[in-house]
Amino acid sequence: EAGVTQFPSHSVIEKGQTVTLRCDPISGHDNLYWYRRVMGKEIKFLLHFVKESKQDESGMPNNRFLAERTGGTYSTLKVQPAELEDSGVYFCASSRRDRTHYGYTFGSGTRLTVV
Amino acid sequence: KNQVEQSPQSLIILEGKNCTLQCNYTVSPFSNLRWYKQDTGRGPVSLTIMTFSENTKSNGRYTATLDADTKQSSLHITASQLSDSASYICVVTWFSGGYNKLIFGAGTRLAVHP
Repeated sequence: EAGVTQFPSHSVIEKGQTVTLRCDPISGHDNLYWYRRVMGKEIKFLLHFVKESKQDESGMPNNRFLAERTGGTYSTLKVQPAELEDSGVYFCASSRRDRTHYGYTFGSGTRLTVV
Repeated sequence: KNQVEQSPQSLIILEGKNCTLQCNYTVSPFSNLRWYKQDTGRGPVSLTIMTFSENTKSNGRYTATLDADTKQSSLHITASQLSDSASYICVVTWFSGGYNKLIFGAGTRLAVHP
């Protein structure tokens, strides 16, 4: 089966611009998660979709970040307007069920650089 | 506060040698503990998953141990290979609000030299 796909792999934008990241989860995986790693820090949770519904968005840093998952398939994460501190690697992961014995499959991430 | 701490931050070993990475956590309630390997430019890939009742789990040359009483885990790599060079991340699953949440450690960067 195909893995979790993220696009683009790299993005360099100027402060104040808008960027949209995309994640295609594994087909049939109801759960989709966004995580972020800023330089030198650990990976941190941003939000969790169950199908098209936002189950938990407690990790979203502020209202400049907007995530959507229309139709319960792929998801987008928009940053508008981008700030310097938004630079980092954004990971998407998906899982079939949110149970302890199920694994999470991660995408390769999008490296965002805001200059 | 739910935290996962890993040591050392970085490690250099020679090919063929063994090494052990450490993970301490203060996550409660605890669901399971996972070790991931992350190659540069790639996403984390699962190595092992252990629940509180399991104290050891192997995956090839990787062996993870868990002491749920002391809240400590280790990842032992045997007969290291150049391809083992990567970041190793300890992740504790925390059950909250009906769903699992992953709490990540900062990782240990391992470099295996010939």
